[in-house]
Amino acid sequence: GNSVTQMEGPVTLSEEAFLTINCTYTATGYPSLFWYVQYPGEGLQLLLKATKADDKGSNKGFEATYRKETTSFHLEKGSVQVSDSAVYFCALSDRNDYKLSFGAGTTVTVRA
Amino acid sequence: GAVVSQHPSRVICKSGTSVKIECRSLDFQATTMFWYRQFPKQSLMLMATSNEGSKATYEQGVEKDKFLINHASLTLSTLTVTSAHPEDSSFYICSARAGGFSYEQYFGPGTRLTVT
Repeated sequence: GNSVTQMEGPVTLSEEAFLTINCTYTATGYPSLFWYVQYPGEGLQLLLKATKADDKGSNKGFEATYRKETTSFHLEKGSVQVSDSAVYFCALSDRNDYKLSFGAGTTVTVRA
Repeated sequence: GAVVSQHPSRVICKSGTSVKIECRSLDFQATTMFWYRQFPKQSLMLMATSNEGSKATYEQGVEKDKFLINHASLTLSTLTVTSAHPEDSSFYICSARAGGFSYEQYFGPGTRLTVT
């Protein structure tokens, strides 16, 4: 079956620090990969996505590259802000049934 | 575009009563809607998948008779928690997929259910 494993948190950083959240996956086919962000008290928002190997998704300074050889989709941001404090979820979508499988989520807190 | 709304955003009900949560796709037609449950500080657990005009498909361990899902139109799905108990208190989130070969899901803001 499909599964997603992401780095456990919580992660606490200072403003302008570099952020990396590791994500690896197991899938039977060729999934699409996503990073979702959940701000306090809100629902999930799509942060970025990649649909095939070597694709790079990017948004709001965040980037992640679909690495088929290492089955990974690590999230990175070069300089975080306090407003980036949130829970980040790595997810994959099975192209057969379109179901999303989520990682456990990583709580990121950025301090001024 | 691709906005999904949920109503209500918060609801408090007494044990034994039923609660209905609505999920609407505001600017697109959603052939498939998904219902998730999220416990505090945990990931989302898929409860069921609903396709317009057909019965919902429930994930293993989810009680069909307790969590009634109706997807009556291409823009509306409802989740009814029947005979609610305190352990049903949770954050319920829906998502919608436009259909065809679109894999992307758009999430609603969630509904916080508290059963007293």
